[in-house]
Amino acid sequence: GESVGLHLPTLSVQEGDNSIINCAYSNSASDYFIWYKQESGKGPQFIIDIRSNMDKRQGQRVTVLLNKTVKHLSLQIAATQPGDSAVYFCAENRGTSGTYKYIFGTGTRLKVLA
Amino acid sequence: DAGVTQSPTHLIKTRGQQVTLRCSPKSGHDTVSWYQQALGQGPQFIFQYYEEEERQRGNFPDRFSGHQFPNYSSELNVNALLLGDSALYLCASSRTGNSPLHFGNGTRLTVT
Repeated sequence: GESVGLHLPTLSVQEGDNSIINCAYSNSASDYFIWYKQESGKGPQFIIDIRSNMDKRQGQRVTVLLNKTVKHLSLQIAATQPGDSAVYFCAENRGTSGTYKYIFGTGTRLKVLA
Repeated sequence: DAGVTQSPTHLIKTRGQQVTLRCSPKSGHDTVSWYQQALGQGPQFIFQYYEEEERQRGNFPDRFSGHQFPNYSSELNVNALLLGDSALYLCASSRTGNSPLHFGNGTRLTVT
């Protein structure tokens, strides 16, 4: 079946280094993607989004890249900080007929090493 | 400006019982979605409400039902609880259209 998944369940990064979290999706018709950060005991928090008519979008310290050819999404975090430690999810819009249903992957845990 | 609020934060129920979870959306948002998140997993879509009607539904049995009120707040009801219903239930709100979901901190449901 169609799914959104992640290549790496856990990523350990040295503080100050850049982090790259990857996500694969299988529905080529998906037109909108979001990255979320979830800290322990909290709900997912919006980080950045990208529409399918874009290849790259930058935010503060974060960049999302979309490769529609291979159906791959990545989140890059520059100068990773201890506060970036969390589980990161990509979400794909699978809605039909103008509706919006977001499907989440299983997540990648980011550990920032001091 | 309050974000998405959910109540209660924690709940313990027995198999076979029924439960109602509540959600108030972020100010300005008119669409509410509910997700179930099992431990170590990503959120799974249950359903979405807009204009007091269920607009989209995921692969959840009819034991899961919901409601949206005129003030856009929403309830999730689960009947005949099973042990496997133990999870974090997340409510998310958004504006009509392709806009990001804003999540509450969830209700942790434990079924014994």
